[in-house]
Amino acid sequence: DAKTTQPPSMDCAEGRAANLPCNHSTISGNEYVYWYRQIHSQGPQYIIHGLKNNETNEMASLIITEDRKSSTLILPHATLRDTAVYYCIVRVNYGQNFVFGPGTRLSVLP
Amino acid sequence: NAGVTQTPKFQVLKTGQSMTLQCAQDMNHEYMSWYRQDPGMGLRLIHYSVGAGITDQGEVPNGYNVSRSTTEDFPLRLLSAAPSQTSVYFCASSPSGQGRGKNIQYFGAGTRLSVL
Repeated sequence: DAKTTQPPSMDCAEGRAANLPCNHSTISGNEYVYWYRQIHSQGPQYIIHGLKNNETNEMASLIITEDRKSSTLILPHATLRDTAVYYCIVRVNYGQNFVFGPGTRLSVLP
Repeated sequence: NAGVTQTPKFQVLKTGQSMTLQCAQDMNHEYMSWYRQDPGMGLRLIHYSVGAGITDQGEVPNGYNVSRSTTEDFPLRLLSAAPSQTSVYFCASSPSGQGRGKNIQYFGAGTRLSVL
C-alpha cells in the first residue's frame, strides 16, 4: 500500500504562504495525490488533487516532484480560517475509498 | 443542493441499545461510504457501497451493518452499542468510475455518538 508521511504540526503567520509537505515514496504510476482538510471536527473538505503535473485551483496549489515521491500543498495567503488538519492521501483502497493518516495540524497565527 | 446529509448530529446511547445513523445524498453518486474518527486520529473506513444493492466491508466493520436499497440513502446500523463505538461518524459519497475527478469524495457534517 502506498503510504504517506506528513509532519504532525506546522505554524504559519497570517498572510504568508503555508507550504505543507507530504512524502509518498511508494506511490504507483496511476495513483493520484489528494489533499483534504478538516476544520475543527467538521467533515473533511476536498482541496485539490493531481497525478504528475502541478495543479492550481481557487483554494491552493499542488506541486508534485518529477519522481512523484513527494508533493507540497501551498496555501498562498493563509488566513486564520485555514487553521485545520490537512490530509495527504495517495492510497485508494476498498473500492475507491481513501486511507487517511493522522495528517498535519496547521495553525495560522495572527 | 444539500450534498451529503447526516442525521442525527448528536446521539447518546446506553450500552446494548441499537440505532441507525442516516445518510442521504442528492448528487446521484454511485459510491457511498461510512467512516469513523476517534479523537486525534484519521478516519477509518467501516463499510462502503458501489451502488444500490451492493455493499462491502471496510477496515473496521465489526458491530455495524449497512444496506443500500436506493442510490440516495446509505444507513449505518449499530446492532448492540458498546462504549468502544463512541466516535464521530462521517458519511461520504463520490461519483463512480475512474479517471480525473471521479474519485473525489464529498463528506457529510458527521454524527457525534457517545455510548455510555
